[in-house]
Amino acid sequence: GENVEQHPSTLSVQEGDSAVIKCTYSDSASNYFPWYKQELGKGPQLIIDIRSNVGEKKDQRIAVTLNKTAKHFSLHITETQPEDSAVYFCAAMGSGYSTLTFGKGTMLLVS
Amino acid sequence: NAGVTQTPKFQVLKTGQSMTLQCAQDMNHEYMSWYRQDPGMGLRLIHYSVGAGITDQGEVPNGYNVSRSTTEDFPLRLLSAAPSQTSVYFCASSYEEWNTEAFFGQGTRLTVV
Repeated sequence: GENVEQHPSTLSVQEGDSAVIKCTYSDSASNYFPWYKQELGKGPQLIIDIRSNVGEKKDQRIAVTLNKTAKHFSLHITETQPEDSAVYFCAAMGSGYSTLTFGKGTMLLVS
Repeated sequence: NAGVTQTPKFQVLKTGQSMTLQCAQDMNHEYMSWYRQDPGMGLRLIHYSVGAGITDQGEVPNGYNVSRSTTEDFPLRLLSAAPSQTSVYFCASSYEEWNTEAFFGQGTRLTVV
């Protein structure tokens, strides 16, 4: 099945700096890569996603890039704000079954 | 529009007890799933359903049962609770296959003593 590795596990940045979280996946047939944000005491919420036919996608301060050859994708947050502090999960949808495989999460702290 | 509703929010069980975690969605989504979240382990899939009457196992199904008699409801049953099942449980739903947005409930924090 699909395996998703996520790094780093924790990331501390100063307000206004950029943050980058990286994920790799194992199934070359995977075609959908969402990113979820989880605030304390809440369920994860989709913030951005990308499909395998696109290399980059932006939504205001958030962007995601995908390198299918290297099988990795990254989340970029610019001009970070305190409200960006949360746990971020990457995920990938592999082939053969209709489920998402999640990375282990990155705790982002903006101070 | 309530989205995905999980009950209860908190539960303490004794080892060997059984219970059902409830999950209901009002978005007419076909796809529903249960995940458990443990520190440093991310979200791991327990069971999922692609429609009423159809369920399948995920990554960590042992000790859990599910059924899907209606589109709206997807309960998770713990047959004989064990301390290893102490976790936060999330239910999620999606309109189509998982390459569309998954909506998560608020979670159930379960402690087995």
